[in-house]
Amino acid sequence: GAGVSQSPSNKVTEKGKDVELRCDPISGHTALYWYRQSLGQGLEFLIYFQGNSAPDKSGLPSDRFSAERTGGSVSTLTIQRTQQEDSAVYLCASSSSGTPPETQYFGPGTRLLVL
Amino acid sequence: QKEVEQDPGPLSVPEGAIVSLNCTYSNSAFQYFMWYRQYSRKGPELLMYTYSSGNKEDGRFTAQVDKSSKYISLFIRDSQPSDSATYLCALHRTGGFKTIFGAGTRLFVKA
Repeated sequence: GAGVSQSPSNKVTEKGKDVELRCDPISGHTALYWYRQSLGQGLEFLIYFQGNSAPDKSGLPSDRFSAERTGGSVSTLTIQRTQQEDSAVYLCASSSSGTPPETQYFGPGTRLLVL
Repeated sequence: QKEVEQDPGPLSVPEGAIVSLNCTYSNSAFQYFMWYRQYSRKGPELLMYTYSSGNKEDGRFTAQVDKSSKYISLFIRDSQPSDSATYLCALHRTGGFKTIFGAGTRLFVKA
C-alpha cells in the first residue's frame, strides 16, 4: 500500500517568508510525528499527534513553528517568518497507534532552504 | 549533555567486514532501543528493536543492549555495498511519546 508522502519534496524560500509543509500519513495510522534533520544533528523531535490532538508539542523550536492535523489524517507544519537556521530536512512519520515498540514509517522528507 | 551520543563517522570498511556501530545514552528510563537505516535522500526505516537488555539477531544484523553501561550496539556481519547508509540509534521511554534519535553514523562499504 501507499507509504507516508510529503510535499513539496524541495522548497526554497526567502528569509522572512512563511512556508507550509504537508504530510499524508499511512491510512488508518492514528499517530503522526514531525522531525527536523540538520546536517550532523540527527533527528530532532518537533511534535506528536494522536488523532487530531497534539499531546506533546515540546519540540517546537519557537512560536514561529506550528502544526495542525485535520480529520485524523493530513498534517501541515507551518513556519512563519522563516530564518536561515530553519534550513533542514523536515521528516514526517506515522505509526498505527503510537504505543511502542511500534514502527514509525517515515516519508521522504521536505528539504527546506531559506536564503 | 545530549541524551544520546553517536559518532557521526564516516566509517569506511571493505566488503565482507564486520561493522560495529554504537551509541551511549544518559537516561536509565529508556526501555526500548531501536536502529533505523537511512539511505541518501530517503526517510529512515526501522531495522531492529530490542526491549531492555540483551541481544537480538536478524540475519546479518545483531543488536546488543547493555543497560548497566548505557551502551547499545549494532553489528553487521559480512557487510555489503548495499549496507552503505546512515544508521541511527533511537531510544524510547515506557509511557512516553517521544523517541530520541542519535545523530547517525554514515557507513560506506567498499566493493
